[in-house]
Amino acid sequence: TQLLEQSPQFLSIQEGENLTVYCNSSSVFSSLQWYRQEPGEGPVLLVTVVTGGEVKKLKRLTFQFGDARKDSSLHITAAQPGDTGLYLCAGPPGQGGSEKLVFGKGTKLTVNP
Amino acid sequence: GAGVSQSPSNKVTEKGKDVELRCDPISGHTALYWYRQSLGQGLEFLIYFQGNSAPDKSGLPSDRFSAERTGGSVSTLTIQRTQQEDSAVYLCASSLIRGPNEQYFGPGTRLTVT
Repeated sequence: TQLLEQSPQFLSIQEGENLTVYCNSSSVFSSLQWYRQEPGEGPVLLVTVVTGGEVKKLKRLTFQFGDARKDSSLHITAAQPGDTGLYLCAGPPGQGGSEKLVFGKGTKLTVNP
Repeated sequence: GAGVSQSPSNKVTEKGKDVELRCDPISGHTALYWYRQSLGQGLEFLIYFQGNSAPDKSGLPSDRFSAERTGGSVSTLTIQRTQQEDSAVYLCASSLIRGPNEQYFGPGTRLTVT
């Protein structure tokens, strides 16, 4: 059973379009992290959301943590080819601090010029 | 400062041979993780080291896999008698284990077993 389900699995869009990717779970997480991974490289942390209902913005990227802390979304406005990559959500399971992260399988985003 | 480094970046080996993969974490990071990523898949947890505590080996897929961390810094992941299904990218990450445990990843070692 996958603890974190990400959707869609693949997304191919044109430059300038908006998109949203989702990270869902039936379990509560004390926090959720979003990473972006480019081909041949390791994942790079984009943001951590900690409080239920929290919204964080990173330039054209908007991250939201669900009120119940079971889900998160990433919205990209006016996507650019440089946004291409594998977007992974991850979190320490449970409401207390866990020293391990569980990862979703990721959304592979391709932004075509 | 320097990030997490891994070596080699690529390794091609014959089935049945042993391989060693190395990870140098960020200085001062007490936690070190190994993950495996197969083509198009997410990250599969393998093993976790935290300070001087016994490592969490719950993710190792078989007894052919082992890892050690010397002096609380450098770690080596060893795969004995490699099989074709071991082909994957092996990623190492380190963190401070404070707050939400944000992890910093190395570039990975791409292992191909022929």
